[in-house]
Amino acid sequence: DSGVTQTPKHLITATGQRVTLRCSPRSGDLSVYWYQQSLDQGLQFLIQYYNGEERAKGNILERFSAQQFPDLHSELNLSSLELGDSALYFCASSPFPGGTNSPLHFGNGTRLTVT
Amino acid sequence: QQPVQSPQAVILREGEDAVINCSSSKALYSVHWYRQKHGEAPVFLMILLKGGEQKGHEKISASFNEKKQQSSLYLTASQLSYSGTYFCGTETRGGSEKLVFGKGTKLTVNP
Repeated sequence: DSGVTQTPKHLITATGQRVTLRCSPRSGDLSVYWYQQSLDQGLQFLIQYYNGEERAKGNILERFSAQQFPDLHSELNLSSLELGDSALYFCASSPFPGGTNSPLHFGNGTRLTVT
Repeated sequence: QQPVQSPQAVILREGEDAVINCSSSKALYSVHWYRQKHGEAPVFLMILLKGGEQKGHEKISASFNEKKQQSSLYLTASQLSYSGTYFCGTETRGGSEKLVFGKGTKLTVNP
């Protein structure tokens, strides 16, 4: 158990809808990272927050947004969903703002299926 | 900016060795290695920070050649439990601290 909690585990929704994925980092970790994993695409970096502030952005679509709250949990909002958004979404946490000195601890992911 | 991993897939028999490579077109500050089993979350193996640094984790070790902007993961005397997909994640010098992963190398160890 990594200590990172993601909810829900599974999400099935229709095209055009909006969903929210939630992540609670490990106790003491201030950084939260979001990754998207599609078949054969590896782990695509979406966005990173540290102590409530956005630190780094990847190829995150404009339809996607995220935030980190004062209690350090984070939410990833996906709107106007398309079939291609179906994927496994991972959240990871670490104590520091950068990834260099500390491993990332991944949650078990949220599997999103858009029909 | 995404690192390139090779090979894409490897099939081994128990006890055999394997090498997985990770290379970047940009100067690297650090390299992470993770293993992901099917349907599970990626699990951290090791971080390499310095040029030429080598680290070990049981029978899994890695090297980082900062000048060549590449890292290699060495799996010796492979066990069935080593099966999974291995990802390298890289942070580039002067980058914005984001950790970018390669597409992964699928390792299958057969009895």
